[in-house]
Amino acid sequence: QVQLVQSGAEVKKPGSSVKVSCKASGGTFSSYAMNWVRQAPGQGLEWMGGIIPIFGTANYAQRFQGRVTTTADESTSTAYMELSSLRSEDTAVYYCARGSTEFYDSSGYYQGWFDLWGQGTLVTVSS
Amino acid sequence: DIVMTQSPESLAVSLGERATINCKSSQSVLYSSNNKNYLTWYQQKPGQPPKLLIYWASTRESGVPDRFSGSGSGTDFTLTISSLQAEDVAVYYCQQYYSSPHTFGQGTKLEIK
Repeated sequence: QVQLVQSGAEVKKPGSSVKVSCKASGGTFSSYAMNWVRQAPGQGLEWMGGIIPIFGTANYAQRFQGRVTTTADESTSTAYMELSSLRSEDTAVYYCARGSTEFYDSSGYYQGWFDLWGQGTLVTVSS
Repeated sequence: DIVMTQSPESLAVSLGERATINCKSSQSVLYSSNNKNYLTWYQQKPGQPPKLLIYWASTRESGVPDRFSGSGSGTDFTLTISSLQAEDVAVYYCQQYYSSPHTFGQGTKLEIK
């Protein structure tokens, strides 16, 4: 049974960066699109971007461009999301979410659904 | 960006009754080249990550009970739960994957009446 296991909760100062990991256990990794979605307390879901591990290419929502970086380590089946210049509004639960093995291109653009999610990582930004 | 608007924001339905949630996109999410609607539905229970229910607007994910169904095309979509069960209490989200960013609706909270 494939699972996505994320790293633990983080508390960060404004202006700093956070890096969240997402390890896929029990199955293949590289050919799946890996995405990141966040959810502020009591709020809805917001797609941030994703990466295609076999290409190493990523696609981001415009509002996060320049602040977010997604990477993947195929050797450990782990995806990472780093968010910089943190502000209080970035306080949220961050989820990794697996896409499919198709519906993407070499530029990193994925057009599909998310069929498997990590448990979520709470990132709190506070001075 | 494509704006996804769900209605109602909250809904209370009696056990065994039908629940209907609507989702409207600010532009069509129907790809003419393959005649597919790039829309999905998720269910999120408190303290849990979202769970995939429906993709291509009407294709049920494996393992999802057949009381859940999706319909609609273009800009107007519906998630229907034919006979509400206690375990269906959750927040439901639609999401479009037609264009980046892949935007979600604001969610519909479903409760038992």
